[in-house]
Amino acid sequence: EAQVTQNPRYLITVTGKKLTVTCSQNMNHEYMSWYRQDPGLGLRQIYYSMNVEVTDKGDVPEGYKVSRKEKRNFPLILESPSPNQTSLYFCASSLRRGMNTEAFFGQGTRLTVV
Amino acid sequence: AQSVTQLDSHVSVSEGTPVLLRCNYSSSYSPSLFWYVQHPNKGLQLLLKYTSAATLVKGINGFEAEFKKSETSFHLTKPSAHMSDAAEYFCVVNPGNTGFQKLVFGTGTRLLVSP
Repeated sequence: EAQVTQNPRYLITVTGKKLTVTCSQNMNHEYMSWYRQDPGLGLRQIYYSMNVEVTDKGDVPEGYKVSRKEKRNFPLILESPSPNQTSLYFCASSLRRGMNTEAFFGQGTRLTVV
Repeated sequence: AQSVTQLDSHVSVSEGTPVLLRCNYSSSYSPSLFWYVQHPNKGLQLLLKYTSAATLVKGINGFEAEFKKSETSFHLTKPSAHMSDAAEYFCVVNPGNTGFQKLVFGTGTRLLVSP
């Protein structure tokens, strides 16, 4: 089944403790991105990647890192999480980077930083 | 700046009545427009998209949307609501100024369907 898989689905952590949220897609998609969803704000892009070893900042990149060593994986890294990073996170992938292509979303990771 | 405005944060309808979810956008270019649906504890699923072909776009589950350039609107409609339509709906624009995917999300409209 074609899908985007995120892990974990739920995570509670403490301020400053490094964490990684994994994202994997099995559709051989070129383009991948991370979003955070906050009440009343919709989804905002954190980072995106147009292909292996090519990543760039989105609209809200502060406090996050990403890597794209393989086409299928695009982990999101929080080196020193803070409470304002408590949010619902979505990974998405698209076949190409073109503006008309559909984005496929993972099921989300709900992160709480205390 | 490119933006999307969803005019209602919540819409309540009765089962079997029409649904209208309103969306206005601003873009200086030729945008692509999408509607996504998010059911509780699920990821986002594409309902339909407009990409400069027909202005009336049909999507899944009986939804459709009409692109009106003069009104900068892309409202989502369905003739008859089902209980399973209860979800959050996002209007999304790709402004077109970058030539690649750069999605701008509206703040969402929660659709409530009562029996």
